[in-house]
Amino acid sequence: YLVESGGGLVQPGGSLRLSCAASGFSFSNYEMNWVRQSPEKGLEWLAYISTGGTTTYYADSVKGRFSISRDNAQNSLYLQMSGLRAEDTALYYCVTDGEVVLATPGAFDIWGQGTMVTVSS
Amino acid sequence: DIQMTQSPSSLSAAVGDRVTITCRASQSISSYLNWYQQKPGKAPKVLIYASSSLKSGVPSRFSGSGSGTDFTLSISSLQPEDSAIYYCQQSYSVPWTFGQGTKVDIK
Repeated sequence: YLVESGGGLVQPGGSLRLSCAASGFSFSNYEMNWVRQSPEKGLEWLAYISTGGTTTYYADSVKGRFSISRDNAQNSLYLQMSGLRAEDTALYYCVTDGEVVLATPGAFDIWGQGTMVTVSS
Repeated sequence: DIQMTQSPSSLSAAVGDRVTITCRASQSISSYLNWYQQKPGKAPKVLIYASSSLKSGVPSRFSGSGSGTDFTLSISSLQPEDSAIYYCQQSYSVPWTFGQGTKVDIK
């Protein structure tokens, strides 16, 4: 299971750190992703991190502003967000990558319930 | 970026009908195409991966096909619990991208 936290209301230009607590599976063996959903843009993949945290990928829309990281000892995934804009308002999901269970890297297997981020003054 | 286009945007069908949703990629993605189902207030869940592989636990009335740029998701006999939004997603290259969704309603 995946449980996200850390969302909330933040002013434009502000920062926020999202967390995702994993349980019920061997977190350290899974690549992980953040995906967001808004009425305006639909589902949008944001960031990927490898099992050891050494490889990361980002969508252009968040590159340089968001940073994905993980702590395998704590079974946790993070998304540090800075320079937030109104268009970052969305529900943010923590998602396991499909490589382990589906043998399909880049597919999204297990999803959390999401944490809402609202960027507004 | 690879653009994913779904059609139709919405459909309404009766229980027992066969339903087909189409997804087209802006370039060839081989068979790196996945389908998700999202019900109101819930996170998406994967139904089909690698174009035609059924995720464990997903009813066999769901099936997927296609390769290259054109893909389909079919529901052989629509059930009331299939009312949802369905999304396709390419896992061929980063950035991984989704279609805009197809809303399926029950008549």
